[in-house]
Amino acid sequence: AQSVAQPEDQVNVAEGNPLTVKCTYSVSGNPYLFWYVQYPNRGLQFLLKYITGDNLVKGSYGFEAEFNKSQTSFHLKKPSALVSDSALYFCAVRESSNKFYFGSGTKLNVKP
Amino acid sequence: GAVVSQHPSRVICKSGTSVKIECRSLDFQATTMFWYRQFPKQSLMLMATSNEGSKATYEQGVEKDKFLINHASLTLSTLTVTSAHPEDSSFYICSATPGLMTNSPLHFGNGTRLTVT
Repeated sequence: AQSVAQPEDQVNVAEGNPLTVKCTYSVSGNPYLFWYVQYPNRGLQFLLKYITGDNLVKGSYGFEAEFNKSQTSFHLKKPSALVSDSALYFCAVRESSNKFYFGSGTKLNVKP
Repeated sequence: GAVVSQHPSRVICKSGTSVKIECRSLDFQATTMFWYRQFPKQSLMLMATSNEGSKATYEQGVEKDKFLINHASLTLSTLTVTSAHPEDSSFYICSATPGLMTNSPLHFGNGTRLTVT
């Protein structure tokens, strides 16, 4: 079965500093990986995806993610964090059945 | 594009009553929609896959008779929580994708906060 893990419940970073939110995956076959962001009492918003090709994927709001096959990781990054980036972030994997399975989520706190 | 609308955003009901939640794809057709449940400070749990014109596929441990899903058209799926109890209080989110190819992201509704008193 496919799965993703987010080892950090919470990440704290100062505004202007780079941020990283970690995700590791376990899949059979080619991984189809996604990052989503959730603001309070809202649904999830798509940030970016990795299907194939370049290991560095660029997405919405200045976010990017690096796919690392040897480490089975897909960490979310941003060079300079904003206070408005504070939210809940989910890594997800898509199965061939089209079901998505989500990690446990990481709360990002960006402090001014 | 690819907007998913979910209604209502909040609902409070009494124990023993039923509540219907609607999920619509506004600018695309969705033969498949997904229903998730999210507990406070936790991840999303896939409840079921809603299939247009056929029965929903439920994940293990999800009661079919409790959570009735109907996908009557290519743009509408409904989730009915029957005989609701306080433990059914949760955040329910629907999602759909414009394409069934593996590179298509899921698009989510804004969720429904259900409170059963």
